[in-house]
Amino acid sequence: ELKVEQNPLFLSMQEEKNYTIYCNYSTTSDRLYWYRQDPGKSLESLFVLLSNGAVKQEGRLMASLDTKARLSTLHITAAVHDLSATYFCAVDTVTSGTYKYIFGTGTRLKVLA
Amino acid sequence: EPEVTQTPSHQVTQMGQEVILRCVPISNHLYFYWYRQILGQKVEFLVSFYNNEISEKSEIFDDQFSVERPDGSNFTLKIRSTKLEDSAMYFCASNREGSSPLHFGNGTRLTVT
Repeated sequence: ELKVEQNPLFLSMQEEKNYTIYCNYSTTSDRLYWYRQDPGKSLESLFVLLSNGAVKQEGRLMASLDTKARLSTLHITAAVHDLSATYFCAVDTVTSGTYKYIFGTGTRLKVLA
Repeated sequence: EPEVTQTPSHQVTQMGQEVILRCVPISNHLYFYWYRQILGQKVEFLVSFYNNEISEKSEIFDDQFSVERPDGSNFTLKIRSTKLEDSAMYFCASNREGSSPLHFGNGTRLTVT
């Protein structure tokens, strides 16, 4: 059974600071996704990482994937209050041509002014 | 931009009653999914659906649950006899092809009393 774990679960940080969220998964996969969820809202796709060594950046967020270590990171640079949200990573698995996306435990980020 | 739409946004039902949650996936998408999230916690996979049949289902998706695509646009999740522990936010998602980001609807908040 594929397990996807994130740490930390909760992150409270000051504005302008940097921090990294980690996502570990338990089985071989070359595809990893990051989503953002605001309180009471849906999940919004942030990044798609489709190969080992993939790096994507959007604004103050940068995601990377190391498939050998089964690890993805979401790095936050110079955090601002607008980044406060819950961030989920997800890994997809393919079994006999069928797809299933398993989500991590989520990291609740609070950026303090 | 096309969206996944879900109705109703909030459903209150009594224990033991049947509920049907409705979703209209993005029109050219081929893969459909239901997830649930309890109290802003982990996003749990329920079922995936492709080519008019279930592709995969989780342990949560027992005999009380069923999915259907009754016409060319709707995708429904039925819970036959609701339990208190079915109270959660239910998200529908779709994508055009496997190994691409999921597009989520805004969710239906199900409250079982």
